[in-house]
Amino acid sequence: VQLVQSGGYFVQPGESLRLSCAASGFTFSLHGMSWVRQAPGKGLEWVSSLSGSGAKTDYADSVKGRFIISRDNANNTLYLQMSTLRADDTAVYYCAKAIFGSQSFSLPFDNWGRGTLVTVSS
Amino acid sequence: EIVLTQSPGTLSLSPGERATLSCRASQSVTSNYLAWYQLKPGQAPRLLVFGASSRAIGIPDRFSGSGSGADFTLTISRLEPEDFAVYSCQQYAASPWTFGQGTKVDIK
Repeated sequence: VQLVQSGGYFVQPGESLRLSCAASGFTFSLHGMSWVRQAPGKGLEWVSSLSGSGAKTDYADSVKGRFIISRDNANNTLYLQMSTLRADDTAVYYCAKAIFGSQSFSLPFDNWGRGTLVTVSS
Repeated sequence: EIVLTQSPGTLSLSPGERATLSCRASQSVTSNYLAWYQLKPGQAPRLLVFGASSRAIGIPDRFSGSGSGADFTLTISRLEPEDFAVYSCQQYAASPWTFGQGTKVDIK
């Protein structure tokens, strides 16, 4: 299993950005995928989850209405569209795979990407 | 929201010693849906334990998880040099899926 994430970004407050995560080594369309972030000096924070089919989503309150999670199952890629970025969105963003193929989000993450650093600053 | 509180914040130990890490939830975690992860700088987080006590694939048996309800423990029986890292617990019983703030295990 490999989850390869795009490079780091530096953006200004209010701008938008799309993160990507290219998956391989498993049947991508069967597994829910998530984004988890870690702000500097802080613990991990779950951001969003998306079912294997793409039909079901869930978001943390801190990003609801600003971030959109999506996936391209034909190309085994997960995305996070981030809009109206704020300084407190500064973090390393990880994509993560649910351990089992299921429509449920009540699953731990058994594989993670190495993370993408997003810095939001003026 | 289920809040997870990990203790201690930092654990200073020597290789070969036993590490005991605690994770307490603000309410009972249904079905013991509690996982432990190992975090190292610049690396992908690594799943160690899920379902409170089931080791993930490829995890050495010196790592063990225990507990139920709202009180969980990760034990590393004999610390190896590569085990010095940050450890984070996560509940996946109820959205929002939350993590503890982490326990750093460093070399004494």
